[in-house]
Amino acid sequence: GQQVMQIPQYQHVQEGEDFTTYCNSSTTLSNIQWYKQRPGGHPVFLIQLVKSGEVKKQKRLTFQFGEAKKNSSLHITATQTTDVGTYFCAGLKNTNAGKSTFGDGTTLTVKP
Amino acid sequence: EAQVTQNPRYLITVTGKKLTVTCSQNMNHEYMSWYRQDPGLGLRQIYYSMNVEVTDKGDVPEGYKVSRKEKRNFPLILESPSPNQTSLYFCASSLSSALYNEQFFGPGTRLTVL
Repeated sequence: GQQVMQIPQYQHVQEGEDFTTYCNSSTTLSNIQWYKQRPGGHPVFLIQLVKSGEVKKQKRLTFQFGEAKKNSSLHITATQTTDVGTYFCAGLKNTNAGKSTFGDGTTLTVKP
Repeated sequence: EAQVTQNPRYLITVTGKKLTVTCSQNMNHEYMSWYRQDPGLGLRQIYYSMNVEVTDKGDVPEGYKVSRKEKRNFPLILESPSPNQTSLYFCASSLSSALYNEQFFGPGTRLTVL
């Protein structure tokens, strides 16, 4: 079945450093979504990428979708303590519109 | 306020005692889904529903049942809970299918089965 791998599992950074998490699918995806879960909270939608090679930015966050639509990345520039949490990618395919496969998440801690 | 609600938020029970976790959304969403979250395993989809009376298995459906008799409600039923079902459960909804639509998550239900 479809698998979505996410690395690294944990990342500890000093405030101001950059952070990147990578998401890799075993199969070609129709789109990919990114979610953030604060400690003790629930996942909250950040963004969706649909097109091959797509790049989207949200302030300090940059999201990329690979050309083959099998991988994606989230990059945070100059991390802040408010960026703490777990970041998940979710891969979706139009062959099964109800199924979403989440990566295991990357937990980011930021040292002030 | 647009939201997904779950009840109870916390539950401690014993092996074999049937329980239901309720999920309700007030956004008139067609799609609803249940996930469980375990340390190091991310979110795994249990069941989903594309619309009323339409449900389908996710990746880890064993030991769970669902029903979708009304659009707003999607209860998760554990007929005979076992300790390996101890987990954090999230309900989510989206406008139509999960494909191309953001999912709105409930606050979570932390279940412990002794």
